[in-house]
Amino acid sequence: EAGVAQSPRYKIIEKRQSVAFWCNPISGHATLYWYQQILGQGPKLLIQFQNNGVVDDSQLPKDRFSAERLKGVDSTLKIQPAKLEDSAVYLCASSPRRDTEAFFGQGTRLTVV
Amino acid sequence: AQRVTQPEKLLSVFKGAPVELKCNYSYSGSPELFWYVQYSRQRLQLLLRHISRESIKGFTADLNKGETSFHLKKPFAQEEDSAMYYCALSGISTNAGKSTFGDGTTLTVKP
Repeated sequence: EAGVAQSPRYKIIEKRQSVAFWCNPISGHATLYWYQQILGQGPKLLIQFQNNGVVDDSQLPKDRFSAERLKGVDSTLKIQPAKLEDSAVYLCASSPRRDTEAFFGQGTRLTVV
Repeated sequence: AQRVTQPEKLLSVFKGAPVELKCNYSYSGSPELFWYVQYSRQRLQLLLRHISRESIKGFTADLNKGETSFHLKKPFAQEEDSAMYYCALSGISTNAGKSTFGDGTTLTVKP
């Protein structure tokens, strides 16, 4: 089966600019996750969708980050405006249900300069 | 608040030696625990989960609710086991089923 697809793979932007990441989960997976992984740390959950509804966004900095999952399939994560501390790898993952194994994409490496 | 702690950032063993990667968690409920692995230049992938009670690539992990630990073990390490290992918890007793990862342990198996 095809895996989780993410784009772009790399992005370099200046601080205060905007950026968007795209994720296409595995077909049929109801749960979709966005994680932020800062160098030297483990993935930190930003937002979790169940179909197209948000079930957890407690760690999403809502003043600058937003995410949506249209029609319960693809998802986009946006940062506006970006800060230097947003430099990280942004991982998308999906799973059939929220308490099962998560399948990860390759990630998008964001550098904010 | 749920938390996962992996006390060792780096772990180095010789080929054929036993290896144990430690994981401690805090969660007020019934956790679902996982070990994920990331090999060089590959995406993060599941190694094993406690509920399946199976051995994958010679690795096993036992959930100890008394000590709130889920340590990963392998009796004889191989060079191909060199990778980054993450312990993760999913709080299935909450509506959110929130996912929490530890900061990972880099395992190096020397020849």
